[in-house]
Amino acid sequence: IAGITQAPTSQILAAGRRMTLRCTQDMRHNAMYWYRQDLGLGLRLIHYSNTAGTTGKGEVPDGYSVSRANTDDFPLTLASAVPSQTSVYFCASSDGITDTQYFGPGTRLTVL
Amino acid sequence: DAKTTQPPSMDCAEGRAANLPCNHSTISGNEYVYWYRQIHSQGPQYIIHGLKNNETNEMASLIITEDRKSSTLILPHATLRDTAVYYCIVRVGSNYQLIWGAGTKLIIKP
Repeated sequence: IAGITQAPTSQILAAGRRMTLRCTQDMRHNAMYWYRQDLGLGLRLIHYSNTAGTTGKGEVPDGYSVSRANTDDFPLTLASAVPSQTSVYFCASSDGITDTQYFGPGTRLTVL
Repeated sequence: DAKTTQPPSMDCAEGRAANLPCNHSTISGNEYVYWYRQIHSQGPQYIIHGLKNNETNEMASLIITEDRKSSTLILPHATLRDTAVYYCIVRVGSNYQLIWGAGTKLIIKP
C-alpha cells in the first residue's frame, strides 16, 4: 500500500506557465487537501475536497484550482504560475470521520 | 490566525523525556487537539490527538489540562530521530480544516 503519492517530486517552472501537481491516494479516503509550505513556516491550506465531486477553498486559494473527479485523485493546477507560488506543496487525505490527515512526500516547486 | 501558541524551539537530551507545551486558550468544547511532526521537510506525520482525557499511543502521550486551555506532548524516551518540528493544531470550522502555526523545532542532543 503506497498511501499518498505526489508527482512530480520537484519542478522548475517559468512564470506564466501552466502546471498541474498530481496527487493520488489508495486508502479510499473521502477527504483530500492541498497545502503549501513556505520556507520556515507552517502549512497553509489551499483547497480541500470532502468527497468526490465537491471542492472548497482554504486559506490561500487564489491562483490555484482543483478538481475531484474520483475518490483517488486530487490534482492541483496553477493556471499561470508566478514566483510567489514557489513553495513545497503537500497533498493529504483523511477518512472524513476523524481529522487525522495522512500526507504525501511533497512537491518542491520553483517558479522563475 | 493560528489558534495555538508554541515555543519556537526546544532542546532535549537523548534518552530523556521531551515535553512540548501548547496553549490553545480559545479552544471550543468539541474541538480536538492534534499533534503532528515534520522531519526535515518530509510530509507531516500524525502523532496523537485528544479531546479532554489524557491519551497515550506507541509514539507519545498527550496531557490536556482540565480547563482544556493547554496541553503537553510527551515523548518518553527521546531519540535523535525525534528531531523535528512539532505542530499542535486544533480544527477550525466544520470542513476538517486544520490551521497550522509555525510549530516547535525540537532538537534532540546526544
